[in-house]
Amino acid sequence: AQSVTQLDSHVSVSEGTPVLLRCNYSSSYSPSLFWYVQHPNKGLQLLLKYTSAATLVKGINGFEAEFKKSETSFHLTKPSAHMSDAAEYFCVVSSGGYNKLIFGAGTRLAVHP
Amino acid sequence: GAVVSQHPSWVICKSGTSVKIECRSLDFQATTMFWYRQFPKQSLMLMATSNEGSKATYEQGVEKDKFLINHASLTLSTLTVTSAHPEDSSFYICSAPTSFDEQFFGPGTRLTVL
Repeated sequence: AQSVTQLDSHVSVSEGTPVLLRCNYSSSYSPSLFWYVQHPNKGLQLLLKYTSAATLVKGINGFEAEFKKSETSFHLTKPSAHMSDAAEYFCVVSSGGYNKLIFGAGTRLAVHP
Repeated sequence: GAVVSQHPSWVICKSGTSVKIECRSLDFQATTMFWYRQFPKQSLMLMATSNEGSKATYEQGVEKDKFLINHASLTLSTLTVTSAHPEDSSFYICSAPTSFDEQFFGPGTRLTVL
């Protein structure tokens, strides 16, 4: 079975400082991993995805994530937070079958002036 | 990118009534769609996989008679919450894949059962 654990339920940063959202996964085979963002009253938006190509994945809005097999991690980072980054972030793993996604519990990112 | 819509975006109903939620892929065809449920401040839980032209596949613990899914065409899947009760109040989200690893999500439907 596949699963994903987001290590922080809440992260608070100041505007202009780096962002780190942590995610660990469990998978019996090479997984596909994703980060999605959910803004209030908006649909989920794909930030980036890893599908066994380059281990450092660049996404939209300056976000990137690094797949580390030895650590079973897929942490999301951004060098400089913006107020508009405040949202809920989900780490997601693809589970066997066609496009079946398993969501982590989510991390709420707050960005302070 | 591809667009998935949901209707209605918000619905309030009385206990015991049934509610239908539509999920449409606007600019692509989807033989498979997924339905999720999200409780306040919690993650998304996959409820079922909707398959065009065949029966839906439900996740363990999801009552198929409670949550009826119909995938009538390549662009439309519907979720009907039958005999709704307050505990069914939640945010329901659908998604549709355009390729093996890319899914697009609808904006969600908030159901409140009084």
